[in-house]
This record gives sequence, C-alpha cells and structure tokens, in this order.
Amino acid sequence: EVQLSESGGALVQPGGSLRLSCAGSGFTFRNYAMIWVRQAPGKGLEWVSVIGSGGGGINYAESVEGRFTISRDNSKDTLYLQMNSLRAEDTAIYFCAKYATVGVSRYFNLWGQGTLVTVSS
Amino acid sequence: ALQLTQSPSSLSASVGDRVTITCRASQDISSALAWYQQKPGKAPNLLIYDASSLESGVPSRFSGSGSGTDFTLTISSLQPEDFATYYCQQFKNFPLTFGGGTKVES
Repeated sequence: EVQLSESGGALVQPGGSLRLSCAGSGFTFRNYAMIWVRQAPGKGLEWVSVIGSGGGGINYAESVEGRFTISRDNSKDTLYLQMNSLRAEDTAIYFCAKYATVGVSRYFNLWGQGTLVTVSS
Repeated sequence: ALQLTQSPSSLSASVGDRVTITCRASQDISSALAWYQQKPGKAPNLLIYDASSLESGVPSRFSGSGSGTDFTLTISSLQPEDFATYYCQQFKNFPLTFGGGTKVES
C-alpha cells in the first residue's frame, strides 16, 4: 500500500526541541521531493518546508526559518523535521506529503495522517 | 509572499446544488494552482492540479478553471460526501502558500 506515516509528535515546553519522522512505503521514496505542512487547531493549512529528492533544494517558511531543519534518509525511506526553540504558535498537526513534479506540473498527491505537536508549559 | 484569497470563507448548500469557490492570487501564477479537499480529522486530498486537471480517482463533478490571478473550483452537483473544507494552493513561488479555506456546510 502506498502511504506516508508520521510520528514523533508530543507535548513539549516552550523553548524545547522535537524531531518528527515521516516513513514512506509503497513507492520509490528517493525519487520524490517531500514537504511538511502544518495546521494549527481550527485553522488553515500552512506550508513549512520542502526538500528535494536527493536532499538538496531545501526551503523554509519564514515563520520557521533558523529554528526548523528538514532532512531525509533515502536508505530508510524516511523524512525528518528537527524543530528547535519551539513556541506556542508552533502548536499544530504536522503533515508530511509527497511533492510530485511531472514536467511543469506540481502537486502534493500523497499525505500522511499527521502528528500533533503541542507546545505548552 | 504571494497571497491567495479564497471566497467565500464558508457557504451553505444542499445536496444537488452547484457550488463555486473562487481563489484570487496577489500576482500572476499562470496555471500553477491546486485544489484540495479536507474533512475533519483527516489529511487534505488532492482534487485538481495545474488549475484544471482532475486528479485520478476524483469524481468528474469536480472541475477547476482559471489562469493568471483568478481561479474557480466548481462542484456541479453537491453530494453528501462533499461537505468539507476546500483549499487552493499555489506552486509558482516559495513559500508555497495556501488560501484560507472555504467550508462547505449544509
């Protein structure tokens, strides 16, 4: 079955750190760029970061630049998001998704179920 | 950052209704736009990419149109399973911004 599965969400204090993981299966993980998107409780979707298929092509939202680091291990079919200096406003469900690029077409056509990060004292 | 403005933010509709949602970009994005459906407690699901291309497996009652700065998602005959929130997203520039969402309710 083609799927993505996130893990690592937890309750963490402000200023703390957390690492999220996203395991892919059923497709050739190393062939695809990957992204993180988050959704604060009751709010809309916010793109967080992207990483290219080989680990380059990294980009971040301004709201997380300098605090979050995206990475991947293609030998383990796994995407990561290292989150440091966490703030209350980082509280959200974090989704990973497969970033398909076919010619000039771009879209996120496979999503994980999400993992909840709560930043609170 | 490039902004996407969706309207309306919510709408009330009945089964069988034709529903139209609009998405306006703050600058020209050509056809680099996708639409997603999200149900409560679930991940988003891709409906339309390249502004008007239907994702495989998505019912044909969903359609997208537009280019440049103005885009539309249309549901030709609303079905019970279509009550959800819909988001547009642009792929022209980083950051890859989403619209604010449109909640379709009964």
